[in-house]
Amino acid sequence: EVQLVESGGGLVQPGGSLRLSCAASGFTFRSYYMSWVRQAPGKGLEWVASINGDGSVRHYVDSVKGRFTISKDNAENSLYVQVNSLRAEDTAVYYCARDIGFGRYDNWGQGTLVTVSS
Amino acid sequence: DIVMTQTPLSLSVPPGQPASISCKSSQSLLHSDGKTYLYWYLQKPGQSPQLLIYGVASRFSGVPDRFSGSGSGTDFTLKISRVEAEDVGVYYCMQGIHLPHTFGQGTKVEIK
Repeated sequence: EVQLVESGGGLVQPGGSLRLSCAASGFTFRSYYMSWVRQAPGKGLEWVASINGDGSVRHYVDSVKGRFTISKDNAENSLYVQVNSLRAEDTAVYYCARDIGFGRYDNWGQGTLVTVSS
Repeated sequence: DIVMTQTPLSLSVPPGQPASISCKSSQSLLHSDGKTYLYWYLQKPGQSPQLLIYGVASRFSGVPDRFSGSGSGTDFTLKISRVEAEDVGVYYCMQGIHLPHTFGQGTKVEIK
């Protein structure tokens, strides 16, 4: 059974940093694209970043370029996103999702909440 | 970026009645490989999103056959033939042909 479990969220001041993690199990992690998708409170879904199987290709939504860094450790079956220079508008639940191709997100984690506030 | 526009934004449907959600994209979602990368996701209350439909009309594993997707190019529709209580939630269309992947605003479906 595929499982994705996010962690690392919390309350952080504007300008602060966090590292979000997603522990994966039940599939060959190194073979899959993985993505982060976020949802601001009461709002819709927004794709944030994706990374390919071996970690050599990364993509970001414009609003986080230069501030967020997606990475994966295939030995540890873990996906990460380092989020820096946080802004109030980054407040959201961050979901990791497995992408089996062209945005087919077939498995999602439960999400981790990031709150940016002073 | 491709803009995805859903209508209506909310639906109140008596149980057993049909429901339909429209999704329009600002660009064609037909790829040069012949496939159309349009998806439907459902987010039930308090839960993570889940995949319902991929490639316009293919139901994901375990999705009941009362859900069906149709459309082509830039116009797409999700239909529920007979709404059940477990179908409540917010439905999102999403395009996967170009990055950034973009979602529609969501359509909230409730039982009347």
